[in-house]
Amino acid sequence: NAGVTQTPKFQVLKTGQSMTLQCAQDMNHEYMSWYRQDPGMGLRLIHYSVGAGITDQGEVPNGYNVSRSTTEDFPLRLLSAAPSQTSVYFCASSRSGASTDTQYFGPGTRLTVL
Amino acid sequence: AQSVTQPDIHITVSEGASLELRCNYSYGATPYLFWYVQSPGQGLQLLLKYFSGDTLVQGIKGFEAEFKRSQSSFNLRKPSVHWSDAAEYFCAVAEGGGADGLTFGKGTHLIIQP
Repeated sequence: NAGVTQTPKFQVLKTGQSMTLQCAQDMNHEYMSWYRQDPGMGLRLIHYSVGAGITDQGEVPNGYNVSRSTTEDFPLRLLSAAPSQTSVYFCASSRSGASTDTQYFGPGTRLTVL
Repeated sequence: AQSVTQPDIHITVSEGASLELRCNYSYGATPYLFWYVQSPGQGLQLLLKYFSGDTLVQGIKGFEAEFKRSQSSFNLRKPSVHWSDAAEYFCAVAEGGGADGLTFGKGTHLIIQP
């Protein structure tokens, strides 16, 4: 098993550009989520999904869209990038709900918005 | 809403010395508590978790944590640290039965002195 994979590892965008951060897991996990990590802030939840076709907002959803068309994939879309979205993004998955199961994290995507 | 406080931003410990990282949480009901470790440039790895039962939980890499309800604490300990323990450590809490992810503390950066 590859676990949770994220692409790309690094990305530089200009303000206003759009892009999609990819996340995939091969563990047949129902629950997937996206976090952003900023210096001195810990990780904050952006969006999560409890299964294919179901998504919901986390603590900091503004500026981000998600969809979950398959169990394996959970892409994060930045519609119009802003410097405030410069961060490290982590995708995570678990067998079911986050409160009971171990979260498995991907290696992260470091995004810089100029 | 739940919150997590890690009072120490940085901790420096000599190799072979004991370690205690502090974590305090704010949550009305019985929390689900976690400790994660992040090595430089890596994703997060679960060290241990507490849901119920024995308040002293054992984790990987020789770590343990003790849940103290009266103090709203979940401190992480290790009797003898190794240079490879240098990393960022995050305490996190989840709501029992909920699916809206983990709430993380801001992290403690552990430095190991030779």
